Amino acid sequence: EPEVTQTPSHQVTQMGQEVILRCVPISNHLYFYWYRQILGQKVEFLVSFYNNEISEKSEIFDDQFSVERPDGSNFTLKIRSTKLEDSAMYFCASSTDRGSNEKLFFGSGTQLSVL
Amino acid sequence: GENVEQHPSTLSVQEGDSAVIKCTYSDSASNYFPWYKQELGKRPQLIIDIRSNVGEKKDQRIAVTLNKTAKHFSLHITETQPEDSAVYFCAASKVNAGKSTFGDGTTLTVKP
Repeated sequence: EPEVTQTPSHQVTQMGQEVILRCVPISNHLYFYWYRQILGQKVEFLVSFYNNEISEKSEIFDDQFSVERPDGSNFTLKIRSTKLEDSAMYFCASSTDRGSNEKLFFGSGTQLSVL
Repeated sequence: GENVEQHPSTLSVQEGDSAVIKCTYSDSASNYFPWYKQELGKRPQLIIDIRSNVGEKKDQRIAVTLNKTAKHFSLHITETQPEDSAVYFCAASKVNAGKSTFGDGTTLTVKP
């Protein structure tokens, strides 16, 4: 079964540094997302991306965050200047259904630790 | 914006018993309600979903019911097994919206 893949699985960084989290969505999917989950808490929406542009973003997704689909397969999340509170598991997800965000397929996540 | 509340936060049942997890949502425009299972340290995985034009959906031992008027939906697991132990999240979203709003999760423990 096709899977969303994410790299790296763990990322440790110093506060103020830039990080790039990488994702390869399922190949025929049209919608791409980033969610995050602070340890023991709920999954929180960050951003959705369709047709090479952001379709929706949350309050968490401020100017420090950006997303990019640099080629036909990768989807990246960049945090320009990391803060301690950015420490979380970041999940990429993709879905195929047009006009909706149904049936999300999540990647295995990148655990980001900001020291 | 949408707010999803989920209860209970923890649920412990004996193997073979049924488990029910309930969620309420605030935005009457929400029309898609998935349930995800997340095992410890793993990714959330979709286990069942329901659209607002349907009142109930079943897939083997799991079922979801939706009451649009009351804005609540529930997950029912029958004949629970130890491998059902996980955190279960409900979510709500709207067609043409990029965002799914998740509940806080329910930790289900099935005792053998």
